[in-house]
Amino acid sequence: QQQVKQSPQSLIVQKGGISIINCAYENTAFDYFPWYQQFPGKGPALLIAIRPDVSEKKEGRFTISFNKSAKQFSLHIMDSQPGDSATYFCAARGDTGNQFYFGTGTSLTVIP
Amino acid sequence: NAGVMQNPRHLVRRRGQEARLRCSPMKGHSHVYWYRQLPEEGLKFMVYLQKENIIDESGMPKERFSAEFPKEGPSILRIQQVVRGDSAAYFCASSPVAAGVPQHFGDGTRLSIL
Repeated sequence: QQQVKQSPQSLIVQKGGISIINCAYENTAFDYFPWYQQFPGKGPALLIAIRPDVSEKKEGRFTISFNKSAKQFSLHIMDSQPGDSATYFCAARGDTGNQFYFGTGTSLTVIP
Repeated sequence: NAGVMQNPRHLVRRRGQEARLRCSPMKGHSHVYWYRQLPEEGLKFMVYLQKENIIDESGMPKERFSAEFPKEGPSILRIQQVVRGDSAAYFCASSPVAAGVPQHFGDGTRLSIL
C-alpha cells in the first residue's frame, strides 16, 4: 500500500513556466514533509521541507503548499529552467520518526 | 566534499552469491538509514542504525538481509544468496541526530543480479 501518492508521473513544462507536482497522504501521524530532487545516477537531494503547522514555505523558486485538512501538499517550481529537469519525490516522515515514506516520483522535463 | 559515500557504485553478482554494500556517513553523523529503490518507484525504507545498534529494521526482509554499523568503519548492508528480485539501487542516508533532521543521501549502489 502506497502511503504517499504522487502525481503526475511525468511532466513537461516550457522554460519559464510553472511546474506543479502533487502529493497526498492518509496517515495523520506524519509530521514532516520533504521534497527531494534526483538526477540520473545520483542520490536524492533534499530540496525543501515543511511541517504540517505551516501552510506554505518558499525558498527561491521552490514553494511547498500544504493543506492539512485535505492531507495534500504540492511543490511549485516557478520560472522552470532546463536545469530543473530531474525526478522529484515527495516524502513524509512516519510516526516513529525513523523512516520516510516516499512517493513514486515525477519525472520533470523543462524544454527550452 | 565530505558527503555520504557509498561503494561500490555498481555491483554485479550471480544468483546465490553474497552482496556487501558499504556506506560511510557524513562526518559527524552517527545515524544511518538504508533505502532500496526499484525502477520507476520511490525509495523504500529498509533499516535505521546508530553506531553499534540496529534501531529499526522493520523494512528489511527477514531472511538473507542484514545490516550493521560498527563502532569503527562504514555501515554494511549484506545480502546473502542473492536472487534476481534483489536487483535495485540501494541508497544510504545519514543524519547527525535521530529523526528530526532531513537525511542526506549517497549516490547509491546499483546491484545487478545475473
